[in-house]
Amino acid sequence: GDSVTQMEGPVTLSEEAFLTINCTYTATGYPSLFWYVQYPGEGLQLLLKATKADDKGSNKGFEATYRKETTSFHLEKGSVQVSDSAVYFCALNRNQAGTALIFGKGTTLSVSS
Amino acid sequence: DGGITQSPKYLFRKEGQNVTLSCEQNLNHDAMYWYRQDPGQGLRLIYYSQIVNDFQKGDIAEGYSVSREKKESFPLTVTSAQKNPTAFYLCASSILQGRGTEAFFGQGTRLTVV
Repeated sequence: GDSVTQMEGPVTLSEEAFLTINCTYTATGYPSLFWYVQYPGEGLQLLLKATKADDKGSNKGFEATYRKETTSFHLEKGSVQVSDSAVYFCALNRNQAGTALIFGKGTTLSVSS
Repeated sequence: DGGITQSPKYLFRKEGQNVTLSCEQNLNHDAMYWYRQDPGQGLRLIYYSQIVNDFQKGDIAEGYSVSREKKESFPLTVTSAQKNPTAFYLCASSILQGRGTEAFFGQGTRLTVV
């Protein structure tokens, strides 16, 4: 079945460091891909998305490019801040009625000053 | 403001009791979902619904029940048959699935068995 695999955390960085969180997927057809962020004790918020191959999603300095050839959607940010500390989830949507988002297990990011 | 409201934020249940978690949305979304979140497990789908009076089991439906009597509401009941109910429960909604359809999430309910 369809699935999403994320790098295991926690990821610990100093402020202003470069961030990469790897995400790969397995799916039939051409899914849409998402990154969600969860701050402590809260629900999930959409961070960015891409709906077709080679699309780049971006928001708040975060970017991810939909790579069909490597079935990947890695999250990057050039300079992280303490306020970016959160759990990040990669997810896919098969774009079919009657389906739900499929999530990876999440990656915890901790940024220190 | 449009959004999804889950209540209560914290819930304590004694062993053998059923409890119901509330989820209400005013986004006029047709589809609603319940996910369970455990540390290191990500989000796992419990139930989802695309239309009033209809719903489908997700990956971990055993020990849970839902109803969808109104478009705005999708309550989840955790029954005494659920062997390990302590978890963080998230409700979400979306338009009916299409390319790029995103889900909007509530703030979650943390359920603890005491």
